[in-house]
Amino acid sequence: DAGVIQSPRHEVTEMGQEVTLRCKPISGHDYLFWYRQTMMRGLELLIYFNNNVPIDDSGMPEDRFSAKMPNASFSTLKIQPSEPRDSAVYFCASSFRAFTEAFFGQGTRLTVV
Amino acid sequence: AQSVTQLGSHVSVSEGALVLLRCNYSSSVPPYLFWYVQYPNQGLQLLLKYTTGATLVKGINGFEAEFKKSETSFHLTKPSAHMSDAAEYFCAVRRMDSSYKLIFGSGTRLLVRP
Repeated sequence: DAGVIQSPRHEVTEMGQEVTLRCKPISGHDYLFWYRQTMMRGLELLIYFNNNVPIDDSGMPEDRFSAKMPNASFSTLKIQPSEPRDSAVYFCASSFRAFTEAFFGQGTRLTVV
Repeated sequence: AQSVTQLGSHVSVSEGALVLLRCNYSSSVPPYLFWYVQYPNQGLQLLLKYTTGATLVKGINGFEAEFKKSETSFHLTKPSAHMSDAAEYFCAVRRMDSSYKLIFGSGTRLLVRP
């Protein structure tokens, strides 16, 4: 398996624009996590899914953030409108069942100018 | 609430010296515990994990960690540091209640001096 695949790897956008980050989890994994990493706040859990259903979105910072998982092989994290403080590295991770480790993608480095 | 605390945002050791990175967790139910490593501009890679069974677990690159329930700790050690070990290390807990949420500590950056 190719692992967790995220796209794009880098995104530079202007404030106010819509940004969509994409994730393809490892085939067969039933948990999917979205994290945000910054120097100030470290690695924050934004939202996670189980069998394509959002379980906990309490980490989503504002209504400007939304995430979907339309099927078992694809998830998106959308920011609309984007702001400079959203600049961070966003990671997607997936795991098989509840009792195992999560595998991480390479991340998307988002810069909002 | 379940949380994980890593003591020391930066740890500096000499090459060949013992590495000790500290992790404590709080949980009403024994969690599953993990250590991950992150190299610059990369994602997180699993070093080792504790789920059940033996409390001393061995991982990749010569690292090991011991689960101590009485101390609610899961410290990471390596007998002899190598320059290539310089990276950021994250301790994580997976809640074993109904949520199965995966939560990370704040990370410890390991510096290895020649």
